[in-house]
Amino acid sequence: SQQGEEDPQALSIQEGENATMNCSYKTSINNLQWYRQNSGRGLVHLILIRSNEREKHSGRLRVTLDTSKKSSSLLITASRAADTASYFCATVSNTGTASKLTFGTGTRLQVTL
Amino acid sequence: GAVVSQHPSWVICKSGTSVKIECRSLDFQATTMFWYRQFPKQSLMLMATSNEGSKATYEQGVEKDKFLINHASLTLSTLTVTSAHPEDSSFYICSAGRPNGLAQYFGPGTRLLVL
Repeated sequence: SQQGEEDPQALSIQEGENATMNCSYKTSINNLQWYRQNSGRGLVHLILIRSNEREKHSGRLRVTLDTSKKSSSLLITASRAADTASYFCATVSNTGTASKLTFGTGTRLQVTL
Repeated sequence: GAVVSQHPSWVICKSGTSVKIECRSLDFQATTMFWYRQFPKQSLMLMATSNEGSKATYEQGVEKDKFLINHASLTLSTLTVTSAHPEDSSFYICSAGRPNGLAQYFGPGTRLLVL
């Protein structure tokens, strides 16, 4: 399956700053999800946005979706050192197996004190 | 969130041996589980979809005879890497989705090192 692209591949910011990660995908989707992965660990689901939604918030997270551009962004506000992790977008397409996720390439976020 | 466990968390084996990895959903019944492989600093690649009571569906390029998947119950799926070779060394992660749910719950992963 074709993976989406994420940029930047790596991002280093200071605590308190905002972090923005972008994701582009290729096929039409049912929904798009963002996951977080600490080094060498499993993934944690952060937020899901459906194809008919344009923006969604959860705590310090803000996700946007532009289906015309096939792109999404994840904004983490007021970042903390504990936010250091890799972040992946994943899409669920309109066809094929329900809930089958196609992951983007990921963004490695480093938040320094 | 739901809890998915994997066992073992890491394994080192000699080339040619077979390794079995278990994935369990601890607090819900998962009719479908997914197996992913992740190489260092790369994304997750779906290997196969494990369906309870039926044959797994493999992604293109994944050898079904090498990566045997069994989903014998609604809470357990196993991945067996047969005749493992050093190039099979990777991080293997499973996930499970609730019936009619959208998000997936991931296990903590199993790190396999084949010498």
